[in-house]
Amino acid sequence: DAGITQSPRHKVTETGTPVTLRCHQTENHRYMYWYRQDPGHGLRLIHYSYGVKDTDKGEVSDGYSVSRSKTEDFLLTLESATSSQTSVYFCAISESMAEGGGYTFGSGTRLTVV
Amino acid sequence: KQEVTQIPAALSVPEGENLVLNCSFTDSAIYNLQWFRQDPGKGLTSLLLIQSSQREQTSGRLNASLDKSSGRSTLYIAASQPGDSATYLCAVSNQAGTALIFGKGTTLSVSS
Repeated sequence: DAGITQSPRHKVTETGTPVTLRCHQTENHRYMYWYRQDPGHGLRLIHYSYGVKDTDKGEVSDGYSVSRSKTEDFLLTLESATSSQTSVYFCAISESMAEGGGYTFGSGTRLTVV
Repeated sequence: KQEVTQIPAALSVPEGENLVLNCSFTDSAIYNLQWFRQDPGKGLTSLLLIQSSQREQTSGRLNASLDKSSGRSTLYIAASQPGDSATYLCAVSNQAGTALIFGKGTTLSVSS
């Protein structure tokens, strides 16, 4: 998607290893989000950021941490990956309230934990 | 806790038919509502964004309505085409703008 890229697109990792997913935006939006999508559960919010070094937990934050050292980058880390974290991860950015608050999503990262 | 429900979960129609997808939400204190399309194995594409003060938005063959007081939105697709086959997701933003809550989607199949 224009203005937001995720890396890697696909990753296979072993149980117990650390994994970091990267989200990069060129829109200079203040808010960034990490979601996971699973069959039967839909999209659920993991963590979000409302500015550099400002983050907060979402609905399913256990086992995940995030960092935002620059406006354009939002990192999601699985400290010790488990099979339950096999999922598709989406990053999103949102406009300010004054601009309408619309969300734009990245293309996703498919993570498999074996 | 905000909950978003989409009915039906799946829908199959012949090409050319007009159709309506439904979305309901439990807390009317929303900032906006957004409809997305997702193709298999792909990301989400934004279709329409309706602010809480608006009643509807239109884009081409798509029209989305919002009745915030009753907690309902509909997505109307006119003259459906096979290329419209996808999963359609409804999502509401809380008033603080800090979270987008999704329904589980309606999977649409349009046959030629």
